[in-house]
Amino acid sequence: ILNVEQSPQSLHVQEGDSTNFTCSFPSSNFYALHWYRWETAKSPEALFVMTLNGDEKKKGRISATLNTKEGYSYLYIKGSQPEDSATYLCAFRLKTSYDKVIFGPGTSLSVIP
Amino acid sequence: DAGITQSPRHKVTETGTPVTLRCHQTENHRYMYWYRQDPGHGLRLIHYSYGVKDTDKGEVSDGYSVSRSKTEDFLLTLESATSSQTSVYFCAISPLGAFLHFGNGTRLTVT
Repeated sequence: ILNVEQSPQSLHVQEGDSTNFTCSFPSSNFYALHWYRWETAKSPEALFVMTLNGDEKKKGRISATLNTKEGYSYLYIKGSQPEDSATYLCAFRLKTSYDKVIFGPGTSLSVIP
Repeated sequence: DAGITQSPRHKVTETGTPVTLRCHQTENHRYMYWYRQDPGHGLRLIHYSYGVKDTDKGEVSDGYSVSRSKTEDFLLTLESATSSQTSVYFCAISPLGAFLHFGNGTRLTVT
């Protein structure tokens, strides 16, 4: 069984706070790591695809880093806004089966105005 | 819009009946996926396809079957629906190695 873990499970922050969450995955057999943003009653939307150890990606106030040797990725949100409230999912592709995409349980973020 | 349509959008069915959900894409992507949304689990992979007539099982495939006779269509069938299969089902498509584009979901209720 492939374990992709995310922490914390949920997070409540004040508007303007910066925050970060973690995705852990098996460091062996790594092919790619995805981050998605999932708003209530909508479909998940891709934020980043990361493939190389040390990768850093940025999109506006959101950024992500990747450490494939130790099997984790961080997602950072700088100056959180209420519209950032969503569930953030990471997903893992295996090297030996890169067409299979396994999701973590997600981190639910609520930004309080 | 990534050119992916799920049908029906909502379905209520009785325990023991067969149900088929359809995913249709206009992007000609090779890879198609079926996930179910479960509280505390995020999205769990049911089945996926890497080409016409090429499919494989995911994490929670028991009670589900799939078929892909054309590049654009990926069907998910619940052979005999159970209450534990009440969920929101998402289809996703992807070119090789890229991120997934999701459909709008099908809300299935098994009574």
